[in-house]
Amino acid sequence: GEKVEQHESTLSVREGDSAVINCTYTDTASSYFPWYKQEAGKSLHFVIDIRSNVDRKQSQRLIVLLDKKAKRFSLHITATQPEDSAIYFCAASGGNMGYKLTFGTGTSLLVDP
Amino acid sequence: EAAVTQSPRNKVAVTGGKVTLSCNQTNNHNNMYWYRQDTGHGLRLIHYSYGAGSTEKGDIPDGYKASRPSQENFSLILELATPSQTSVYFCASGTGNYEQYFGPGTRLTVL
Repeated sequence: GEKVEQHESTLSVREGDSAVINCTYTDTASSYFPWYKQEAGKSLHFVIDIRSNVDRKQSQRLIVLLDKKAKRFSLHITATQPEDSAIYFCAASGGNMGYKLTFGTGTSLLVDP
Repeated sequence: EAAVTQSPRNKVAVTGGKVTLSCNQTNNHNNMYWYRQDTGHGLRLIHYSYGAGSTEKGDIPDGYKASRPSQENFSLILELATPSQTSVYFCASGTGNYEQYFGPGTRLTVL
């Protein structure tokens, strides 16, 4: 089955800098790649996704890049703010998995004010 | 108004006891999922359902059962709870477009 590896377990940046979180996946048939944010003690909140028919998507300060050849996708948070501090999870779905999501292990992002 | 709710929010159970975690969604989504979250593992899929009356095994189904009696409700059942099932459990509902929406979570402690 699909395996998603999230490369950074922790990430610390200064307020205003950019943060980049990288994920790789194994199933070439995967076609949907969402990102979720989890603040301390809370549930997962959807932030942005990308589908395999595009290689870049932006929503305000969030940019997702997808490299299908390398089976890699990344979340870029620009102009970081302290409220961006949270755990971010990447996930993959599609292909033989149907609508199931396979998650990475999470990246704890700390934005220092 | 919260579209995916879970009950109870916190539960302490004894080893060997039966535990039922409940999930209700008002999104009118066909798909529902149960995950557990453990440090170092992210979220792992336990059971899922693509409609009322059907359940499917996820990646880690051993020790768990699921029930989907209606479009809105999806339960996770631990017939004989063990300490290794101490975790935070999340329910989610989803569309046929892959998007999933999560409930607030249930913290289960098995002593």
